[in-house]
Amino acid sequence: KQEVTQIPAALSVPEGENLVLNCSFTDSAIYNLQWFRQDPGKGLTSLLLIQSSQREQTSGRLNASLDKSSGRSTLYIAASQPGDSATYLCAVRVGGTYKYIFGTGTRLKVLA
Amino acid sequence: DAGVIQSPRHEVTEMGQEVTLRCKPISGHDYLFWYRQTMMRGLELLIYFNNNVPIDDSGMPEDRFSAKMPNASFSTLKIQPSEPRDSAVYFCASSLTGPYNEQFFGPGTRLTVL
Repeated sequence: KQEVTQIPAALSVPEGENLVLNCSFTDSAIYNLQWFRQDPGKGLTSLLLIQSSQREQTSGRLNASLDKSSGRSTLYIAASQPGDSATYLCAVRVGGTYKYIFGTGTRLKVLA
Repeated sequence: DAGVIQSPRHEVTEMGQEVTLRCKPISGHDYLFWYRQTMMRGLELLIYFNNNVPIDDSGMPEDRFSAKMPNASFSTLKIQPSEPRDSAVYFCASSLTGPYNEQFFGPGTRLTVL
């Protein structure tokens, strides 16, 4: 059974710092992996999607990498800003299906 | 496009009552997903549809939960009878077929069962 874990559960950093969020999954038979952002009381906003055949995707200050064989993905945020404060979730699409398994999330706070 | 639309945004009901949550996916999307989010269990997939047909309902917790998609632009999630442990935020999401099937989420319905 696929399990997705995110470490750390919470993170607090000063503004301007570069940071890395981690996502681990137990079954490497995934189709793709998606990173989301969730603001308090809001829905999820898609940030990046990486196909299983890709190694990384970039969007602005965000860079997501995928190492399927080791069951890991990282989300790199460059030059963090207070507006980046939110919960970040990763989700894997189970191979052969459209079923998504979500991680537990990392709650990020960027201090001004 | 208006994005995924959910209604109501908040619902407060008493135990034993029937609750119906509604979702309008993004026009043209052929996949629709229902999720539940709680502090204890995080975000869980309940059921998903493809072209209005339920594909996987293994996440539906009990027979008290049912979901329908009568057409490409409307889906409902019904709980009957509701219980306090059903209190959660329910999200609907939609996506397109294909390798780059990015999911787009609605704002959610916060359900409180007293």
